[in-house]
Amino acid sequence: AQRVTQPEKLLSVFKGAPVELKCNYSYSGSPELFWYVQYSRQRLQLLLRHISRESIKGFTADLNKGETSFHLKKPFAQEEDSAMYYCALSHRSADKLIFGTGTRLQVFP
Amino acid sequence: DSGVTQTPKHLITATGQRVTLRCSPRSGDLSVYWYQQSLDQGLQFLIHYYNGEERAKGNILERFSAQQFPDLHSELNLSSLELGDSALYFCASSPQDRGGTEAFFGQGTRLTVV
Repeated sequence: AQRVTQPEKLLSVFKGAPVELKCNYSYSGSPELFWYVQYSRQRLQLLLRHISRESIKGFTADLNKGETSFHLKKPFAQEEDSAMYYCALSHRSADKLIFGTGTRLQVFP
Repeated sequence: DSGVTQTPKHLITATGQRVTLRCSPRSGDLSVYWYQQSLDQGLQFLIHYYNGEERAKGNILERFSAQQFPDLHSELNLSSLELGDSALYFCASSPQDRGGTEAFFGQGTRLTVV
C-alpha cells in the first residue's frame, strides 16, 4: 500500500541550527516525491519536488530509494521557516497525491 | 494566491445537518482533489475528479459525496454530520489527471460541527 510516514509531529530548533525533517515512504513502483509547506494562516504550497533536484529557500531533499526516504534538510534554519511541512507521494499513473501527517517546524530566535 | 477558490471559509453547523463546500479550480485545470485535515490525522485524501469524472476515491465516508460540474467547479457534500467531521477541508487542482504534477491548494473551509 502507498504510505508516507513523517515520524516527528514537532521539531523545534534555534535559529542557525541545521534542520532535517524526516520522510519515509512505502510504494512498490517509482514514486514522485514532494515537500509541501503551510505557513501560518496560508494555504499549502509546493516547496520542492525530487525530480527538480533544486534548492528552494535553502531547503534540499534527496530521494534515497534504498532507504525509501526523502528527508528535507536545511543547514541553517531561519525564523521564517517556522511552518507545517508535509511530505507527499505520487506516481505518474496514479490519480492521487498521498500526504504524510506533517511535521511542525518551530524555529526559535 | 494559487488561483483555487474555496467557499465558504468557515462553516458552523449542528450534528445531523448537511452542508456543501465549493471549490473553483485554477483556470485551465481539469483535476480537482479533496482532502480532509484534522488535528491528529494530517491530510487525508478523499476523492479526485478529472473533467467531470470521478477518478479515485480515498477514505471518503458514505455520508460524503462530491461532483464536478461542466464548468469544472466541484462541490463536496457532507450529510448527517457528526462532531468528528469537524475539520479543515481542502481542495486542490492540477492541470492533468495523473500524478507527478504540482497540486495547487485553496485556503480551505473550516467546518465546525456542534
